[in-house]
Amino acid sequence: QVQLQESGPGLVKPSQTLSLTCTVSGGSISSGGYYWSWIRQHPGKGLEWIGYIYYSGSTYYNPSLKSRVTISVDTSKNQFSLKLSSVTAADTAVYYCATVVMGIGVAWFDPWGQGTLVTVSS
Amino acid sequence: QSALTQPASVSGSPGQSITISCTGTSSDVGGYNYVSWYQQHPGKAPKLMIYEVSNRPSGVSNRFSGSKSGNTASLTISGLQAEDEADYYCSSYTSSSTYVVFGGGTKLTVL
Repeated sequence: QVQLQESGPGLVKPSQTLSLTCTVSGGSISSGGYYWSWIRQHPGKGLEWIGYIYYSGSTYYNPSLKSRVTISVDTSKNQFSLKLSSVTAADTAVYYCATVVMGIGVAWFDPWGQGTLVTVSS
Repeated sequence: QSALTQPASVSGSPGQSITISCTGTSSDVGGYNYVSWYQQHPGKAPKLMIYEVSNRPSGVSNRFSGSKSGNTASLTISGLQAEDEADYYCSSYTSSSTYVVFGGGTKLTVL
């Protein structure tokens, strides 16, 4: 059974780059058939899709964040990563990684990592 | 403002049934059968409850069911139990440039 675990700094200073890694266990990122996604949730708010990546490196980003987001994959480590540049307090959120099951597009997200809170503050 | 519209809250007594609606457009909910529902308890990650409008993943109680009519999808929980108290989010594929959209979430209170 695939499990995902986020890791990275819980505190980032304004204007800096937020960097998170998701480690996949119980399955191989490069086995194909699935995409790998980042989703965030602002405190007390709903879910916001950030983007997703295929093991080949193909990426798709939310247009509202596209200019600041980079998602990459390291198949040798069975990990994928998120970088969000020029962060502000508005980027304070719980960040989740999740497996994406695709149809003609995103079909559903399952499973999810436990999430990691990232606070942007000086 | 979320792309999919859900009621902010619903409530029901143990044993009762409740339905949570999720309204979109013909570009998302109404146009594709890629509606999914997630349950989120406080401090926990979302959990997939329904996929492709009405399918239940293995291990999810059959008290949870999904349906769709036009641009509105619905999640019904029958035989409400205390542990069903949580936030519920719908999601849909969209043909717009955002690829996927979420609802704003519905807080279910079991009275």
